[in-house]
Amino acid sequence: EVQLVESGGDLVQPGGSLRLSCAASGFTFSSYAMSWVRQAPGKGLAWVSVISGSGGTTYLADSVKGRFTISRDNSKNTLYLQTNSLRAEDTAVYYCARGSGATNTALDYWGQGTLVTVSP
Amino acid sequence: DIVMTQSPDSLAVSLGERATINCKSSQSVLYSSNNKNSLAWYQQKPGQPPKLLIYWASTRESGVPDRFSGSGSGTDFTLTISSLQAEDVAVYYCQQYYSSPFTFGPGTKVDIK
Repeated sequence: EVQLVESGGDLVQPGGSLRLSCAASGFTFSSYAMSWVRQAPGKGLAWVSVISGSGGTTYLADSVKGRFTISRDNSKNTLYLQTNSLRAEDTAVYYCARGSGATNTALDYWGQGTLVTVSP
Repeated sequence: DIVMTQSPDSLAVSLGERATINCKSSQSVLYSSNNKNSLAWYQQKPGQPPKLLIYWASTRESGVPDRFSGSGSGTDFTLTISSLQAEDVAVYYCQQYYSSPFTFGPGTKVDIK
């Protein structure tokens, strides 16, 4: 059974940092691209970032470029999102989701999400 | 960036009736290498993560009831629920995965009339 479990969300002050993690199980992690998608309270879905199975290809939304970094450790079956210089508008539930082999695919499994709150 | 729009913002349909949601992309999402449209539909119920319903614009994900269908090509797409059930109350999102950033539509809320 495919499972994705996010962690690392917290209340953080503006300008602060958090590292989000997504522990994957039930599939060959290194064979799949992985994505982060966020959802601000009461709002729609917003794509954040994707990383290829090998980790060699990454893409970021313009709104987080220069502040967020996506990475993965295939030996630990874990996806990461390093978030720096956080702003109030980064407040959201952050979901990790599985793609297929390529970075440009639909997202077939999603975690339950982890809440990041940016507030003084 | 490809901008995704959806219509209507919300709709209420009687149980057993058809629900139709439209999605439009600001440029074609037809992937030339396989002649398929890089368009997915997701369902999100309150308090839950999104669930993939349809990919490549018209391919139903495994386990998704056949009352859900997707159609369209190029820039115009449609999600149809042929006979609305109570458990279909949710927000529905389209997403293009043709080019980064892989943008979502704003969502369409479906309720029971």
